Amino acid sequence: DQQVKQNSPSLSVQEGRISILNCDYTNSMFDYFLWYKKYPAEGPTFLISISSIKDKNEDGRFTVFLNKSAKHLSLHIVPSQPGDSAVYFCAASIYSSASKIIFGSGTRLSIRP
Amino acid sequence: EAQVTQNPRYLITVTGKKLTVTCSQNMNHEYMSWYRQDPGLGLRQIYYSMNVEVTDKGDVPEGYKVSRKEKRNFPLILESPSPNQTSLYFCASSSPRGRGTETQYFGPGTRLLVL
Repeated sequence: DQQVKQNSPSLSVQEGRISILNCDYTNSMFDYFLWYKKYPAEGPTFLISISSIKDKNEDGRFTVFLNKSAKHLSLHIVPSQPGDSAVYFCAASIYSSASKIIFGSGTRLSIRP
Repeated sequence: EAQVTQNPRYLITVTGKKLTVTCSQNMNHEYMSWYRQDPGLGLRQIYYSMNVEVTDKGDVPEGYKVSRKEKRNFPLILESPSPNQTSLYFCASSSPRGRGTETQYFGPGTRLLVL
């Protein structure tokens, strides 16, 4: 049973437009959520996170929105750039088990010219 | 340069032949983890360690062992590899910052093929 789900395996967006990546979770105990970005032949790198006490967190072109009632979060990238083409993983954790993180299956984002 | 290193990067082996994948970090991090990445399943945690001599099972620990004798090293041991352990493996380290593990750094990955 996947506790963190990314239902879109791939997404194609035109350069300059907004990319929206979605993630759903089932465990209401999760209180910290992260997005990681992964390029081929490299390990994932941390992108942005959000605590359950917030509903939005911004960092430059990246914004993460959290809807706790819907158990849904999304990552917005505006404007999308060619270097954003990568696989994006959503992840969740519980504060009391900070070292245990559950990852989604990933969404491959392609930015087309 | 702050980094997590893994060796080997690529490995082809046969069923039953014991192997060890090494992981080392130079950031003095307390937390270290091992993950495997499989198509359609994302990253799944195998084992994690919160400090020296403290290890615990993740979501998919079967067939794996770990040890944490030194803070910087966290080797992954496959005592008797099987073909279903063919995967891409990542080691990660992080330092607790009150909550969350956003400072988690990943190694470059080890691609393992078990024949």
